[in-house]
Amino acid sequence: GAVVSQHPSRVICKSGTSVKIECRSLDFQATTMFWYRQFPKKSLMLMATSNEGSKATYEQGVEKDKFLINHASLTLSTLTVTSAHPEDSSFYICSAMDGRSGNTIYFGEGSWLTVV
Amino acid sequence: AQTVTQSQPEMSVQEAETVTLSCTYDTSENNYYLFWYKQPPSRQMILVIRQEAYKQQNATENRFSVNFQKAAKSFSLKISDSQLGDTAMYFCALGAGGTSYGKLTFGQGTILTVHP
Repeated sequence: GAVVSQHPSRVICKSGTSVKIECRSLDFQATTMFWYRQFPKKSLMLMATSNEGSKATYEQGVEKDKFLINHASLTLSTLTVTSAHPEDSSFYICSAMDGRSGNTIYFGEGSWLTVV
Repeated sequence: AQTVTQSQPEMSVQEAETVTLSCTYDTSENNYYLFWYKQPPSRQMILVIRQEAYKQQNATENRFSVNFQKAAKSFSLKISDSQLGDTAMYFCALGAGGTSYGKLTFGQGTILTVHP
């Protein structure tokens, strides 16, 4: 079946540096992907909608200059956390829709970011 | 704005018994979808069941069924014959139809523990 893969699954970075997280749809094309953030034992909060070939749409309160999203191909969206700070430490998870199967939504495995 | 409320932070059930998780929502959309997702300790989001709002018939998937009360904006999940592998965090989610399909609003989650 369809799979959405995220990489890396875990990353530790120093405060002030940038880190990139990839979200790939492995066997289907995804013109739209979504990025969520989840704090421990909390809900998923939608950060932005990633649109292939155009700018991402950010939810209210999400800093677009801090969380850069690029969707350069039909199978890859990237989230770059720029100038990371400890408060950016969180679980980031992406999702993508497979239009072949009634718009089934598939989630990636998620990425743990720790900023030290 | 869409909201999803899960009023049960934690629930527990004995193996082989039945448990019901509650969810209420609010939306101004006429075309929308409701979901229950399971998130085990691995953090992978697993779709349990999906309900189209325009369908009156309650969705079922093996041991999982929903009670969809559209007028009351209620969407509860019933798990029958609970198994140890059902232990996880369960999220209720709401998504609009049309071009916004895929953008999900999640509830706060319910931690379900199945005891042997």
